[in-house]
Amino acid sequence: ETGVTQTPRHLVMGMTNKKSLKCEQHLGHNAMYWYKQSAKKPLELMFVYNFKEQTENNSVPSRFSPECPNSSHLFLHLHTLQPEDSALYLCASSQEGVGNYGYTFGSGTRLTVV
Amino acid sequence: GEDVEQSLFLSVREGDSSVINCTYTDSSSTYLYWYKQEPGAGLQLLTYIFSNMDMKQDQRLTVLLNKKDKHLSLRIADTQTGDSAIYFCAESGSGNTGKLIFGQGTTLQVKP
Repeated sequence: ETGVTQTPRHLVMGMTNKKSLKCEQHLGHNAMYWYKQSAKKPLELMFVYNFKEQTENNSVPSRFSPECPNSSHLFLHLHTLQPEDSALYLCASSQEGVGNYGYTFGSGTRLTVV
Repeated sequence: GEDVEQSLFLSVREGDSSVINCTYTDSSSTYLYWYKQEPGAGLQLLTYIFSNMDMKQDQRLTVLLNKKDKHLSLRIADTQTGDSAIYFCAESGSGNTGKLIFGQGTTLQVKP
């Protein structure tokens, strides 16, 4: 356990379903991130939140909708996904200004869209 | 712009040393990091180096930093099968804004 918990670990959903991924950290970090990791592709930064405010959205399709109700929780709401959205979704957190601690990552949610 | 490059694959025999290389573009990065990702897991911070250091050693791991060439390397001594994983290099970028720039990852395969 790294201190960042992601649920569920695995998710299979149909293209018409709506589901949510959850990320939780109790490390006292102020910043939280969503990354997408597809096979044979670099890590893709999707969203950044600092002190609950979204500070970065890297041209992510609107079928992905993030929510950050407080500094400890981050959600990724999914709807009408495509098969190419199948990937490992990683959440990370950090202090403002990463310093020598860098990011702390969760174990990820393996998403399969059928 | 900011960019971090790594070779994609490295294969070594158990007991040999592994050297994973990385080049980066932002000379103002304060910290550089190595992360390890085992199959089915997230990224785990392995080690980091502060930009005013040339070398850092931590048990079997040695990090070398050449600021002039913007080159970072991770050496793993006496590589074990449990070291098989993907290794990501990352830089902290300009102004230590909190946004890390990751390389594409090097898959290390350790053969028995």
